[in-house]
Amino acid sequence: AQRVTQPEKLLSVFKGAPVELKCNYSYSGSPELFWYVQYSRQRLQLLLRHISRESIKGFTADLNKGETSFHLKKPFAQEEDSAMYYCALRTGFQKLVFGTGTRLLVSP
Amino acid sequence: SQTIHQWPATLVQPVGSPLSLECTVEGTSNPNLYWYRQAAGRGLQLLFYSVGIGQISSEVPQNLSASRPQDRQFILSSKKLLLSDSGFYLCAWSVSSGGLWANVLTFGAGSRLTVL
Repeated sequence: AQRVTQPEKLLSVFKGAPVELKCNYSYSGSPELFWYVQYSRQRLQLLLRHISRESIKGFTADLNKGETSFHLKKPFAQEEDSAMYYCALRTGFQKLVFGTGTRLLVSP
Repeated sequence: SQTIHQWPATLVQPVGSPLSLECTVEGTSNPNLYWYRQAAGRGLQLLFYSVGIGQISSEVPQNLSASRPQDRQFILSSKKLLLSDSGFYLCAWSVSSGGLWANVLTFGAGSRLTVL
């Protein structure tokens, strides 16, 4: 089955601490993975995707096919990173399956 | 630039009443269009997607239906709402061609439906 698992509903850290939001996937084909973010009172938007191999707002994510993971990481969390984060997997032609999301709370 | 509009933003409807949520995209042609439902603890569930006028794919059996009467218009409907239809509905679009922006979804602001 094609599935995305985000095991943590809530992740609470202090400002300046490292952050890792976990994402595991199940897919028989070649995976294409994304992270989307929803800040308070804003629309859900793309944060980054694995094919771009980019760092956005200090966040990076590496696709690990052996562990079927695409964890989102940031070395030093900022208060403005507080948001809801969704991991997504392309499962077919232009179709995305999302995980249940992790709420990141960064405290001062 | 491309924009996506959803309305109404908030809707309170009695059980058994009909539903119509509308989504339109501007600034692009032949987009792929999607309806998702966002529920706490359940993430985003893909309900319908469309790759062209009149072409609708349903992902889950449910009380809802979708239509695409025009290239950039996507409508989510129900003839008789159930309590379980309450939720936050998101419309999204993506480019239909390949390339850098393939599979990247742009979301609308959402429509919150409460069925009483």
